[in-house]
Amino acid sequence: DQQVKQNSPSLSVQEGRISILNCDYTNSMFDYFLWYKKYPAEGPTFLISISSIKDKNEDGRFTVFLNKSAKHLSLHIVPSQPGDSAVYFCAAASANSKLTFGKGITLSVRP
Amino acid sequence: GAVVSQHPSWVICKSGTSVKIECRSLDFQATTMFWYRQFPKQSLMLMATSNEGSKATYEQGVEKDKFLINHASLTLSTLTVTSAHPEDSSFYICSASDGGNEKLFFGSGTQLSVL
Repeated sequence: DQQVKQNSPSLSVQEGRISILNCDYTNSMFDYFLWYKKYPAEGPTFLISISSIKDKNEDGRFTVFLNKSAKHLSLHIVPSQPGDSAVYFCAAASANSKLTFGKGITLSVRP
Repeated sequence: GAVVSQHPSWVICKSGTSVKIECRSLDFQATTMFWYRQFPKQSLMLMATSNEGSKATYEQGVEKDKFLINHASLTLSTLTVTSAHPEDSSFYICSASDGGNEKLFFGSGTQLSVL
């Protein structure tokens, strides 16, 4: 049972436009959410996180939105840059639990 | 940021041999390390949680006798795939925590191919 779902396997966006990466979860106990970015042949690196007490967290070009009632979160990247091309993993955790990852989405930013 | 070194990056071995993968935290003490495997187009699946000085905790369905984990120091955890078979071919990746569950620091991964 996939508790964290990233239903779109890929996304292609023009440079300068907004990239919106979506993630859904089923476990209502999750209260902390993270996004990781992964380049080929490298390990994932932490990008941005949000706790369930917030509905938005912004860090530069990256903003994560959380809709608890819909069990949905999204990562917005604006403006998108070619260097943002990577696989993005959504992950979720509850108190003292291990992270559960989605399958990832491949973002391609076209110059 | 914190650095986790994983070695080797890739390994090809014959069926029946054992392969050891190392995961080192280079600039912090990792009380907990995690081992994942990832099949193509699938998510990172947690295999086990490794705590320094104690036995690893394995996820359901993961054979502890096949995937031996040792976390002998605060900076090193090893995963040994014993008697590897082609179905063990996968991308194995470790992560380390300096205390919190969040913001894990990941190694670069090991691509294992068993012939």
